Amino acid sequence: ETGVTQSPTHLIKTRGQQVTLRCSSQSGHNTVSWYQQALGQGPQFIFQYYREEENGRGNFPPRFSGLQFPNYSSELNVNALELDDSALYLCASSRGTGVDEKLFFGSGTQLSVL
Amino acid sequence: QKEVEQNSGPLSVPEGAIASLNCTYSDRVSQSFFWYRQYSGKSPELIMSIYSNGDKEDGRFTAQLNKASQYVSLLIRDSQPSDSATYLCAVLTNDMRFGAGTRLTVKP
Repeated sequence: ETGVTQSPTHLIKTRGQQVTLRCSSQSGHNTVSWYQQALGQGPQFIFQYYREEENGRGNFPPRFSGLQFPNYSSELNVNALELDDSALYLCASSRGTGVDEKLFFGSGTQLSVL
Repeated sequence: QKEVEQNSGPLSVPEGAIASLNCTYSDRVSQSFFWYRQYSGKSPELIMSIYSNGDKEDGRFTAQLNKASQYVSLLIRDSQPSDSATYLCAVLTNDMRFGAGTRLTVKP
């Protein structure tokens, strides 16, 4: 167990809907990163939040947005869901953004878009 | 060219053998390198990190880094069936990027 918790564990949505995924970081960690993992693929970087500010973004459209709260928990919001958004969404927390940044992952949210 | 490339496998080794997993990366300024293990249906877990050229050993695991060749590897000695999983190579530049993973099966 890493101490990173994600909710919900599973979610089914229809195309065009909006979804919010939540993540609580490990105690002592101020950085949260979100990843999308399609079946059979490695995690793809969506974005990172450091002390409530976006601190880097991968190649995802603006309909993927996020927030980090003062307690360092985080949300990932996806608008106008598409079928290709079906994937495992992973949240990872870390102590900071230094070169020894080690990511600790939550169990993930499995999103299915019908 | 993908930022982080791994042989997709699957790689199959007999119990007790050495499993060798390889990874190449494209960004020369990358500073930190990690190996994560992901069991089927589970999230990735960190098993090794390496930051400088050479070898780093931790129990049955050895990570090797060659920055000149932009190459990282993971050796698993005395492989066990419980090592059967997908192994993800991750490279930190501005953010952490992952390879597609190599699926390893250790046969009893």
